[in-house]
Amino acid sequence: AQTVTQSQPEMSVQEAETVTLSCTYDTSENNYYLFWYKQPPSRQMILVIRQEAYKQQNATENRFSVNFQKAAKSFSLKISDSQLGDTAMYFCAPSGGANSKLTFGKGITLSVRP
Amino acid sequence: DTAVSQTPKYLVTQMGNDKSIKCEQNLGHDTMYWYKQDSKKFLKIMFSYNNKELIINETVPNRFSPKSPDKAHLNLHINSLELGDSAVYFCASSRTWDRYSDTQYFGPGTRLTVL
Repeated sequence: AQTVTQSQPEMSVQEAETVTLSCTYDTSENNYYLFWYKQPPSRQMILVIRQEAYKQQNATENRFSVNFQKAAKSFSLKISDSQLGDTAMYFCAPSGGANSKLTFGKGITLSVRP
Repeated sequence: DTAVSQTPKYLVTQMGNDKSIKCEQNLGHDTMYWYKQDSKKFLKIMFSYNNKELIINETVPNRFSPKSPDKAHLNLHINSLELGDSAVYFCASSRTWDRYSDTQYFGPGTRLTVL
């Protein structure tokens, strides 16, 4: 079974600044992927970025990047040059194991201040 | 074109009623899912179907019954609705079920309110 811990329930950042959202997980799988999804007030679940667990190189998508520490089972999301549209709830989710299920963390509410 | 669509987006009903939520994906994916997001925003998988065949059935009351007429559609029928069923229900799809690398694409969600 996989477990996910997102220990920061809420975070706030000034527009244009950088913020890091933490996530730790536990899994017995050797092969898996890790995902970050965002859920803005519109409720839509949107993929932000994904990381292959067997790759050491951290994934990057424009202003979004991850810091993946496999041994520590840590998968944090860094948002650079924060924008008002980044205001959302962010969920960390590993996939793997039987039926490749996604296991979601409790989420972090991020507010970007103008 | 909407990749994963759900109808209705909002559903308000009385306890004891039976209701259905429909989901359709036009991505050509083989696998579809139903998730429940509770009032604390916790998202948990309920069911997964691959090409009309049930793959995942988490511990969900028998009152919930998914039906997949074809691989592009996965509907959720709920009998005898209870107050605790109030939640947002998300449909999602992915290319396959047995590749942990496949991204899941979500529908807009259906907010169910049971009075």
